[in-house]
Amino acid sequence: NAGVTQTPKFQVLKTGQSMTLQCAQDMNHEYMSWYRQDPGMGLRLIHYSVGAGITDQGEVPNGYNVSRSTTEDFPLRLLSAAPSQTSVYFCASKLGFGQGDGYTFGSGTRLTVV
Amino acid sequence: GQNIDQPTEMTATEGAIVQINCTYQTSGFNGLFWYQQHAGEAPTFLSYNVLDGLEEKGRFSSFLSRSKGYSYLLLKELQMKDSASYLCAALNNAGNMLTFGGGTRLMVKP
Repeated sequence: NAGVTQTPKFQVLKTGQSMTLQCAQDMNHEYMSWYRQDPGMGLRLIHYSVGAGITDQGEVPNGYNVSRSTTEDFPLRLLSAAPSQTSVYFCASKLGFGQGDGYTFGSGTRLTVV
Repeated sequence: GQNIDQPTEMTATEGAIVQINCTYQTSGFNGLFWYQQHAGEAPTFLSYNVLDGLEEKGRFSSFLSRSKGYSYLLLKELQMKDSASYLCAALNNAGNMLTFGGGTRLMVKP
């Protein structure tokens, strides 16, 4: 089991560019989420999914899109990058509702927008 | 929505015991998680409480009072490697959204 795999690990973008952050898990988890982490602000939920074909918005969805065409993959798209999107992005997954083992996190993508 | 508060920083001595508190106000609640996060790394799962009471896992214990909207993480026999941020997170009723507090940065000194 590779767990939750995120690529790339580091990325520098220019303002206005678009890109996709990749997230894949091999644990057959139904629930997947994207978070961003900024200094002093903890983890904030961007988008989440409870299964293939089902996505919903979290706390800070503006400027981001997601899709869930398979159980394994949950890519996050930045439509037009802005300096305010400079952050560390974490993808996380868990088996499903009521599972007390919590979310498993990927190693993160460190994004800088200049 | 969810509002979760925890202290920003704490300092403790190697070998001692430290308690990290977390209070939450939620419109729906299905459990409280604690995660550990070392600098530059991903959060890792420590504990989950859904019922009132104390859950013990080796040197780490977590307590929940649903009526008071209160939880704490207790770390015993502190080691230098316990220096990290500790994140409190509340799960919503539907079990599909985990909301995090800002994290408590714990520094363990010799």
